[in-house]
Order: sequence, then structure tokens, then C-alpha cells
Amino acid sequence: ELKVEQNPLFLSMQEGKNYTIYCNYSTTSDRLYWYRQDPGKSLESLFVLLSNGAVKQEGRLMASLDTKARLSTLHITAAVHDLSATYFCAVDRDSNYQLIWGAGTKLIIKP
Amino acid sequence: DAGVIQSPRHEVTEMGQEVTLRCKPISGHNSLFWYRQTMMRGLELLIYFNNNVPIDDSGMPEDRFSAKMPNASFSTLKIQPSEPRDSAVYFCASSPLWGRKTTNEKLFFGSGTQLSVL
Repeated sequence: ELKVEQNPLFLSMQEGKNYTIYCNYSTTSDRLYWYRQDPGKSLESLFVLLSNGAVKQEGRLMASLDTKARLSTLHITAAVHDLSATYFCAVDRDSNYQLIWGAGTKLIIKP
Repeated sequence: DAGVIQSPRHEVTEMGQEVTLRCKPISGHNSLFWYRQTMMRGLELLIYFNNNVPIDDSGMPEDRFSAKMPNASFSTLKIQPSEPRDSAVYFCASSPLWGRKTTNEKLFFGSGTQLSVL
């Protein structure tokens, strides 16, 4: 059974600091996704990672994928308050449609 | 494009009542998903349609839940009878390229329906 674990589940940090969110998954998969959800809002796609060593960057966020370690990271550089949200990773169950979602990491960035 | 449109945004009902949630996917998207989100269980896939055909409904909790997609621009999720444990946020999502393993493969989520069953 494919399991997806994120850590930490909660992170409070100061503006200007760097931090990393980790996403581990238990079986092989060829796709990993990162989504963002603001409180009371919908989910927004951030990154799609398809291959080992893939790295994607958008502004202060950078995601990477290590399929051998079954690990993806979402790195936040010089955090700003606007990045406060819950971040989810999701892994394809190799079925072409079924995603298994992590529990989410609630990120609070204090001024 | 207006994005994925869900209605209602909020629904409060009493146990035993029928509830119908509605979704209009983005035009041209051929894949549609219904998800449920709760604090305890996180995001759960309920059902997946491709080209209006239900492909997998194994996530539907029980027979009280049913979903239809009569055409490419409309889908419903019905709960009858509703129970307090059905209280959750229900999301509809659509995608134009699902399953094609490209970097543009994304789910576009609606704003969700917050369902409270008393």
C-alpha cells in the first residue's frame, strides 16, 4: 500500500529564513505533485515532478525529487508572509489517476 | 476561464436529508474528480470520471453516495440520506491532461462545498 508522509506537519518560522518540507513515500512512483492550500480556499498546483533528479523553481519555492530515496523536498528561501499556507505533496499510485496525498504541512510565516 | 465552479459553497442540512453537490469543470477538460477533505482523513478521492464515464468509484464511502456526469460540463455528487459523519469539504477537480505524464499535468480544483450535516 502506498503511503505518503510529510514532515513537519506544522511549521512556524520567521520571515527571511530558509526551511525545507519533506515528503516521503513508500513504494515506487513516477510522479509527484506539490499543491498549496490557503485557509478556507481551494488547492492550487505548484509543481509536477516526473523524474529522478527533477528540480523545479518558482519564486522562493524550489521542489526536488529523488526517486531512489522516495523523497521529495520543498525548499523555501527567504520566506515571506504571503507563503503562509498548507502545502501538500501527492504521489501517483501508478494507476494514471489515483493520487495518494500527504497530510499537509501547515506553514505560518511571522513578520 | 472561470475555473471549476462548484455549488453551493456552503450547505447545512439535517441528518436524513438528501444533499446534492454540483460541479462545472473547465471547458475542454476530459477528466473530473470528486474529493472529500476532513481533518481526520485528509484528502480522499471519491470518484473519477474520464470523458463523462465513471472509471473508479471505489472511494465512494457507501451506497448513500452516488455521482453522475450526464455531459462534459456538469457533474453531481448526491448523498441520500445524509449523516453527520458526512460533514466535510467536498472538492471537484478537473484536468485536461491527466494520465499523460507531462509537466503540465495538473488538477484544477473548485472552491469546494462546505457540508455540515446536523
